[in-house]
Amino acid sequence: TQLLEQSPQFLSIQEGENLTVYCNSSSVFSSLQWYRQEPGEGPVLLVTVVTGGEVKKLKRLTFQFGDARKDSSLHITAAQPGDTGLYLCAGAPHDYKLSFGAGTTVTVRA
Amino acid sequence: KAGVTQTPRYLIKTRGQQVTLSCSPISGHRSVSWYQQTPGQGLQFLFEYFSETQRNKGNFPGRFSGRQFSNSRSEMNVSTLELGDSALYLCASSLTAIGNEKLFFGSGTQLSVL
Repeated sequence: TQLLEQSPQFLSIQEGENLTVYCNSSSVFSSLQWYRQEPGEGPVLLVTVVTGGEVKKLKRLTFQFGDARKDSSLHITAAQPGDTGLYLCAGAPHDYKLSFGAGTTVTVRA
Repeated sequence: KAGVTQTPRYLIKTRGQQVTLSCSPISGHRSVSWYQQTPGQGLQFLFEYFSETQRNKGNFPGRFSGRQFSNSRSEMNVSTLELGDSALYLCASSLTAIGNEKLFFGSGTQLSVL
C-alpha cells in the first residue's frame, strides 16, 4: 500500500485543455512536494506546499495543499505538449525520508 | 554547478550476478538517497547516507547495500541479481538529511536483469 495515492494513473488530453492530478493520504504531512519527471531523466522539483489550505501558482500550474494537510492537487490550465511527463507527489511523515506516490503520467497531444 | 551524476546510464546483467552503481552528488551536498523506480510502483526508497553513515533504510532485502565515501560520493551494490531487480535506480542529493528537504536527482541507471 502506497503512503501517497495518486489519481488518475494516466491522463491523455488535447492541447489547450485543463487537467487536475490528485495526491491523497491518510497521514498528515508537514509539507508536500510535487516533482515532474521527463523520459530518461530524474524527477525535478516543481513546488513545495507547507501550510494547510495553501495555494501556489507556477505559471499555468496551480498547486493546493488540503486544509488537513493530508492531500494535495495539481491543476494545469491550457495544457501544452511541454507539460507531458510523469507527475509525482512526495511527502515526509514525521520528517522521515521522502515517500513518493506512484505518479500520474500526463500526455498532452498537439 | 554540476548536477548529480550517475554512472553507468545503462547496465545489462544476468541473474545471479552482482552490480555496483555510482552516484556523485552536487558539490557541497552531504546527503545521498537511493530510490528504485519501476512502472506503476513509483519511487521506492532504498537508503540514505549522510556523512558516510547510513541514516535510513527502506524495506529492501539485504542483497541491496550501499556506502558513502568521505567526498560524499556514494555507491550502491546489488548482489545475486533477480529478474525483479530490473528497474531505474535513481540517486538524489541534498544539503542535509532533513526529511522534507528538496532533492536533486540524477538521470538514473537503467538496470536490466536477463
